Amino acid sequence: GAGVSQSPSNKVTEKGKDVELRCDPISGHTALYWYRQSLGQGLEFLIYFQGNSAPDKSGLPSDRFSAERTGGSVSTLTIQRTQQEDSAVYLCASSPHRGPYEQYFGPGTRLTVT
Amino acid sequence: EDQVTQSPEALRLQEGESSSLNCSYTVSGLRGLFWYRQDPGKGPEFLFTLYSAGEEKEKERLKATLTKKESFLHITAPKPEDSATYLCAVRPFSNAGNMLTFGGGTRLMVKP
Repeated sequence: GAGVSQSPSNKVTEKGKDVELRCDPISGHTALYWYRQSLGQGLEFLIYFQGNSAPDKSGLPSDRFSAERTGGSVSTLTIQRTQQEDSAVYLCASSPHRGPYEQYFGPGTRLTVT
Repeated sequence: EDQVTQSPEALRLQEGESSSLNCSYTVSGLRGLFWYRQDPGKGPEFLFTLYSAGEEKEKERLKATLTKKESFLHITAPKPEDSATYLCAVRPFSNAGNMLTFGGGTRLMVKP
């Protein structure tokens, strides 16, 4: 079946502009995660949605970052007033509600802030 | 604090030369340990989940094992197409949600 999809695949933006990144999870998966992968660094957790519960935002690095998930499916990660240190690959993953909870990742969005 | 450390950071092998990748972890309690493969420019691809010490899983030339402190990914007679970055991640009990804590990865290069 279809995997996790993300768009755009690449985004170049100027410092100070806002960007929106989109994630379409695997159909039927109730959990959705956003991670960030910076050059030379490991994957860093950002935010987690599970069904209709309040999201776990504990990984968001600043209040410039926000995310929403509409209808329990598609999610949008928004970065306001982008900074150069926001340049990274943003990865989305989804998993089913019940075990074994493996997360399946999308191809990522490469964000470059100039 | 939950920590995952992978070694070596990079590994060069000749085709057919078997080896192992290490993932050491420190967590308050382990709900699962995951191995992923990541090719350049792509998202991580799920390989294995291990839940308890002594558990082993195999897929083609790869075998993952788990102890109470570490996991190994054994690669038997690797081929050039096995070249990728291998990521280890844990799902600790300390996470209220199901987010994963990742190691830095091991970049494997297999030369023909």
